[in-house]
Amino acid sequence: DGGITQSPKYLFRKEGQNVTLSCEQNLNHDAMYWYRQDPGQGLRLIYYSQIVNDFQKGDIAEGYSVSREKKESFPLTVTSAQKNPTAFYLCASRMGASGRSYNEQFFGPGTRLTVL
Amino acid sequence: GENVEQHPSTLSVQEGDSAVIKCTYSDSASNYFPWYKQELGKRPQLIIDIRSNVGEKKDQRIAVTLNKTAKHFSLHITETQPEDSAVYFCAASGDAGGTSYGKLTFGQGTILTVHP
Repeated sequence: DGGITQSPKYLFRKEGQNVTLSCEQNLNHDAMYWYRQDPGQGLRLIYYSQIVNDFQKGDIAEGYSVSREKKESFPLTVTSAQKNPTAFYLCASRMGASGRSYNEQFFGPGTRLTVL
Repeated sequence: GENVEQHPSTLSVQEGDSAVIKCTYSDSASNYFPWYKQELGKRPQLIIDIRSNVGEKKDQRIAVTLNKTAKHFSLHITETQPEDSAVYFCAASGDAGGTSYGKLTFGQGTILTVHP
């Protein structure tokens, strides 16, 4: 999982601002995911992309947007419409439909977003 | 969609004892069940996974059992050590053609504390 990077590690946002979280992978994985983690809770899926130029909403997509213009990159924008964005954001990738471990997801180190 | 329930939310054991964490899932089409370990402020790391064509899988001190009929699976850690202290998450996913393909639905997590 050292092949997935997220930046920045910490991010502070003022209310009303949009911010973009970066996620890059050099594992040649087809699928990429964004999760949100709140204290004491599990991971909730925001958006995912199974292939370049295509993505789907997860369980909590409201107030977020994504793009998948390149296989290795899946940036997440937290918009001002997200009312409670303070959380730990995790990006993950998965190999795809072929290969022995096609289900396994590998996680990046995360970005901790705080709204001031 | 899939729903995964995890119990207990906290678990405290003495070093050397065994620890068991249980999860139930709702979607009978789910066929991949990973377990992740997450240390404080770090990324989740896959520790073991099982597919629906197998009832049990073991890796040193860690084992996972699956009961497809009852739709539940469990993580067993034997001879626990202080370094096993972390948050453990179960998850479920489906195969190609299903609504949960490529998507992991996570349980709420179990905080395991191993006392020396």
